[in-house]
Amino acid sequence: GAGVSQSPSNKVTEKGKDVELRCDPISGHTALYWYRQSLGQGLEFLIYFQGNSAPDKSGLPSDRFSAERTGGSVSTLTIQRTQQEDSAVYLCASSSSRTGEANYGYTFGSGTRLTVV
Amino acid sequence: QKEVEQDPGPLSVPEGAIVSLNCTYSNSAFQYFMWYRQYSRKGPELLMYTYSSGNKEDGRFTAQLNKASQYVSLLIRDSQPSDSATYLCAMTKTGGFKTIFGAGTRLFVKA
Repeated sequence: GAGVSQSPSNKVTEKGKDVELRCDPISGHTALYWYRQSLGQGLEFLIYFQGNSAPDKSGLPSDRFSAERTGGSVSTLTIQRTQQEDSAVYLCASSSSRTGEANYGYTFGSGTRLTVV
Repeated sequence: QKEVEQDPGPLSVPEGAIVSLNCTYSNSAFQYFMWYRQYSRKGPELLMYTYSSGNKEDGRFTAQLNKASQYVSLLIRDSQPSDSATYLCAMTKTGGFKTIFGAGTRLFVKA
């Protein structure tokens, strides 16, 4: 597609429920990232996928968070047993893996605003 | 201590002003430095990037990098109300694909 698409744009869920957030990256971009942005905070790295390599999960805050990327394209971030502190905007980004471009910047989606009540 | 520190906002300036937004960093392994602009309820969009000390200009925007002193700045000349947004500095290491972001500075440009 022309840009990075995320769905849903907004999600309100009850504490303890599971949620799935979806990201559709730019066609041909092999690198995909998930970040979390809390009110007044910078972007917090969650997970990184590069092609068929094992993902870098070093930023996932707990084992309630997981993500997968199917067919090297669409990615789903799953949060199990949601807590109020999970409320944030979840941003997905993609980039080309060609030399230099991956370092120079990402294309972000508009994010999913998650509210846990 | 955070790896990237960014001046807190909000910053309010009149239209036409020159604005300087600043970040310092503590990890000398960072090699690539980016500035993103984020409008309300949108994802960040890449404004500029640089990797060598000195100034890099793009229209009304200038990115300044000083690796010896470990700071980056974004200068906005002739600021416009449409520049009202949050500006995030970001940096990454060579060969690394995990970009570290500053907390962002919220800028308001008054008409």
